Amino acid sequence: KAGVTQTPRYLIKTRGQQVTLSCSPISGHRSVSWYQQTPGQGLQFLFEYFSETQRNKGNFPGRFSGRQFSNSRSEMNVSTLELGDSALYLCASSLGQPLGNEQYFGPGTRLTVT
Amino acid sequence: AQTVTQSQPEMSVQEAETVTLSCTYDTSESDYYLFWYKQPPSRQMILVIRQEAYKQQNATENRFSVNFQKAAKSFSLKISDSQLGDAAMYFCAYSPNTGNQFYFGTGTSLTVIP
Repeated sequence: KAGVTQTPRYLIKTRGQQVTLSCSPISGHRSVSWYQQTPGQGLQFLFEYFSETQRNKGNFPGRFSGRQFSNSRSEMNVSTLELGDSALYLCASSLGQPLGNEQYFGPGTRLTVT
Repeated sequence: AQTVTQSQPEMSVQEAETVTLSCTYDTSESDYYLFWYKQPPSRQMILVIRQEAYKQQNATENRFSVNFQKAAKSFSLKISDSQLGDAAMYFCAYSPNTGNQFYFGTGTSLTVIP
């Protein structure tokens, strides 16, 4: 089975712009979670999508949004980029049911905001 | 709110020796899941071991084992016969039984000395 893929791997954007990141889960996985990883805050949960519905949400502003398609692929969008949004964005896929299953992580998208 | 604490930012171990990484967590729930993930310099997060809170028996995976103390809310990882390939950042993670989100600790950077 192919692993979790994320595109693009690297991205440089300017403050105020918006960005869309993509994640393709492992075949058969219906849950996709997104995490932000920074040296200062560590790994923080953004949101989780399961069967095209947002099932859980972390404590991030509304500028961070996402969606999931019928093939379980997910996109994450960040609008009005700020310098503090520079981070490694990781997505993880899992079966989604039952809960507590292992999450498989992608290689991440490194976003730099200048 | 659930928090996960890893009090050892850095650890080192001689090759072939044993090392224990500490993790404590805070939750008011009785049913949950705990994980240890490894993130080598290539950045791909890999599951090391998983523990279900309702199981009293400590999980083991080859050279990796945990000491799960539910009452103390402690979940330490023991790596036996350490190998050079074990060098990585290790993250402890908590996942509630009510959702699929993971809460991560700040990580422990493990160095293996030849």
